[in-house]
Amino acid sequence: NAGVTQTPKFQVLKTGQSMTLQCAQDMNHEYMSWYRQDPGMGLRLIHYSVGAGITDQGEVPNGYNVSRSTTEDFPLRLLSAAPSQTSVYFCASSHAGNGELFFGEGSRLTVL
Amino acid sequence: GESVGLHLPTLSVQEGDNSIINCAYSNSASDYFIWYKQESGKGPQFIIDIRSNMDKRQGQRVTVLLNKTVKHLSLQIAATQPGDSAVYFCADLDYGGSQGNLIFGKGTKLSVKP
Repeated sequence: NAGVTQTPKFQVLKTGQSMTLQCAQDMNHEYMSWYRQDPGMGLRLIHYSVGAGITDQGEVPNGYNVSRSTTEDFPLRLLSAAPSQTSVYFCASSHAGNGELFFGEGSRLTVL
Repeated sequence: GESVGLHLPTLSVQEGDNSIINCAYSNSASDYFIWYKQESGKGPQFIIDIRSNMDKRQGQRVTVLLNKTVKHLSLQIAATQPGDSAVYFCADLDYGGSQGNLIFGKGTKLSVKP
């Protein structure tokens, strides 16, 4: 039972590069979300989706894009990486309206 | 959105003692609260939740208390074990978006001394 799978686990980018963080879940959850975690800041919501074809912005959406073409996948795209996007990124999923989020193991991104 | 904060950034307890982790929230309309545990290098993991129509909820070795009057909740861990060492986050559900999203506090790091 894989749960929520994130790839890659580690990534180093140069300023201006683009990349996609992948997230997949096998629990048939309607809701998926991306958080970033910075020291002393807790977890902050970037984008979320309540189902295939539906996405919305969270607290800190600037510089990130998402899409939800299938129930299982919710990729996070960095359009032009900046050092301020150095962080640990977590993908999470749940059944709609349920506060019990299932998190992936995280993707540590460093932007030089 | 509302803010959810922790009273103390770190907490150190002796193995076998009880631990109490506190959390304050600002939105009096918040009606659903959740505690998560995050071990080093891992994603947060759901521990227990409580709705605003309850004052107390118990799980296995954990109890969450909710005081709506002062907008405060706490997580109590009985007989704390080394495996309880982690960062603990409280979160509440913000209904400002198209559906409820969890707003997390900044976390309390619990260290258990053998």
